[in-house]
Amino acid sequence: QKEVEQDPGPLSVPEGAIVSLNCTYSNSAFQYFMWYRQYSRNGPELLMYTYSSGNKEDGRFTAQVDKSSKYISLFIRDSQPSDSATYLCAPGGGNFNKFYFGSGTKLNVKP
Amino acid sequence: EPEVTQTPSHQVTQMGQEVILRCVPISNHLYFYWYRQILGQKVEFLVSFYNNEISEKSEIFDDQFSVERPDGSNFTLKIRSTKLEDSAMYFCATTDRRTGELFFGEGSRLTVL
Repeated sequence: QKEVEQDPGPLSVPEGAIVSLNCTYSNSAFQYFMWYRQYSRNGPELLMYTYSSGNKEDGRFTAQVDKSSKYISLFIRDSQPSDSATYLCAPGGGNFNKFYFGSGTKLNVKP
Repeated sequence: EPEVTQTPSHQVTQMGQEVILRCVPISNHLYFYWYRQILGQKVEFLVSFYNNEISEKSEIFDDQFSVERPDGSNFTLKIRSTKLEDSAMYFCATTDRRTGELFFGEGSRLTVL
């Protein structure tokens, strides 16, 4: 079983749509959950960070963690063409030895 | 905003040569990582480093690879005897244990000919 599973997409939505991106993970010891945005050939940019379960909102972005089902989500409201990128989920354990990455979901927001 | 700095941004080398990729972590971060991303593929963990020693390494990180922090500021990845399949983007990342947020550099693109 993979540590992190993420639908690679691509996901294509019209501008203004609400986008839902999801990952599942297998290790119940994960405590840190991050979402990254990666534009082609650039480094991953930290978008959202959540510790343990719960929701976190930052502008148009909301991150959700459900540890009971090992499911993490990123919602983007009022999506913009500039949101077109690959989104990576990355959970990690409490010992900081390793952060695991999903395969990334490619999002295309059409004007 | 503090950032992770990587050099070189792009390196072209001949197969069999040695390369050193350098990273300047965010000041006061103590945990350092190298990841790589082959074009079109996922971000893969190579190694983590804390307190001047390797914390964990993946099966990719074999004897061809080594890491060190030679001068207390730079964090380096050395790849000996490069192979064609080593061509990839190599990302350095660092974290502050207080928050767990992991920050990446812009990457070093390695092309092995």
